[in-house]
Amino acid sequence: AQSVTQLGSHVSVSEGALVLLRCNYSSSVPPYLFWYVQYPNQGLQLLLKYTSAATLVKGINGFEAEFKKSETSFHLTKPSAHMSDAAEYFCAVSNRQGAQKLVFGQGTRLTINP
Amino acid sequence: DGGITQSPKYLFRKEGQNVTLSCEQNLNHDAMYWYRQDPGQGLRLIYYSQIVNDFQKGDIAEGYSVSREKKESFPLTVTSAQKNPTAFYLCASSYWDRDTEAFFGQGTRLTVV
Repeated sequence: AQSVTQLGSHVSVSEGALVLLRCNYSSSVPPYLFWYVQYPNQGLQLLLKYTSAATLVKGINGFEAEFKKSETSFHLTKPSAHMSDAAEYFCAVSNRQGAQKLVFGQGTRLTINP
Repeated sequence: DGGITQSPKYLFRKEGQNVTLSCEQNLNHDAMYWYRQDPGQGLRLIYYSQIVNDFQKGDIAEGYSVSREKKESFPLTVTSAQKNPTAFYLCASSYWDRDTEAFFGQGTRLTVV
């Protein structure tokens, strides 16, 4: 069975500061990993995905994430936070048999302080 | 433009009534999914369908039913058997056998009154 743990349900950073959102996964098979962003009362938008091509994955809006197999982690970072980054972020895992049944973490709400 | 359309955006239901949420996609995706979102619990899979006329239960299927008569459509019925139906419901679609991501609709917020 697969699972995802996001450390910290709420993260608050100052505008211009580093953003770090933590995600650890459990998977019995090599995983596909995803980060999605959700704005209030909206659907989910893909930020980036890991499918084994490269361990450092760059996404939209200046976000990136690094796959670390030894740590079973896929943390999301952005060097400099912007007010528009305030949203909820979800880490998700799926197996590698082509199925896209995603298993989600509980989400991290990111607040940006001016 | 291609995408996934969920309707309605907001839905109110009286206790004891069934209600159907619509999900349509024009991305030519094989697979479609329904997720339920509750505060602090992330998204949980209700049902998914790999191909037309076939669907499988997810982690929380009790009290829900679906159909997949057309590739483009995957409606979800919330029945009166669902004990706590108030939630945000998200539909998604993807290719089944390619290394790609799932695309999500804008969601339907269901409130039981």
